[in-house]
Amino acid sequence: DAKTTQPPSMDCAEGRAANLPCNHSTISGNEYVYWYRQIHSQGPQYIIHGLKNNETNEMASLIITEDRKSSTLILPHATLRDTAVYYCIVRSNSGNTPLVFGKGTRLSVIA
Amino acid sequence: DGGITQSPKYLFRKEGQNVTLSCEQNLNHDAMYWYRQDPGQGLRLIYYSQIVNDFQKGDIAEGYSVSREKKESFPLTVTSAQKNPTAFYLCASSLLRAGKALKHIQYFGAGTRLSVL
Repeated sequence: DAKTTQPPSMDCAEGRAANLPCNHSTISGNEYVYWYRQIHSQGPQYIIHGLKNNETNEMASLIITEDRKSSTLILPHATLRDTAVYYCIVRSNSGNTPLVFGKGTRLSVIA
Repeated sequence: DGGITQSPKYLFRKEGQNVTLSCEQNLNHDAMYWYRQDPGQGLRLIYYSQIVNDFQKGDIAEGYSVSREKKESFPLTVTSAQKNPTAFYLCASSLLRAGKALKHIQYFGAGTRLSVL
């Protein structure tokens, strides 16, 4: 599976959009991009995933560049409860091995 | 409610003692996983199981053991051979057969925090 690179930390003002970047320059054609988040002392929570088209659900939007070498997770109106570590994971849709979690980005939403 | 239940929430281990962490799921998921998380670090895979009575070692299996006698249950034993067991332990589950990439969506329990006395 392709390696991902994320900034270690970011701040965002409450009510503003939080844009979390992820680089995955070695991604291959059958690999999906997954985003999870982990609020302090809880288990990780699935947010969204995509292959090449932009995706949106009730939690967030995922923007994948045309060359698929990077993506951005957007939380449109960040709240204090969005403070968490956000993990970007690239994973092939073939095979059944577990997800591999890096260190992620620690997002702090500030009042 | 469907979900993954881990117990206990907090656990203390004495020197030389084996302890068992419980993980139960009622999601009818095929695969189950155990991860360890140290402060400020990402998750590291201990063991995983894709079918009853079968399991595979992850990156840090030494000092741990598991069993998968029922689809719903995947207990983790931290043995006395694990010299640094203090950590946050997370159990997860997922489908193995689903459309698109849905099978790779892992659902996590609330975790067990293990400390050494």
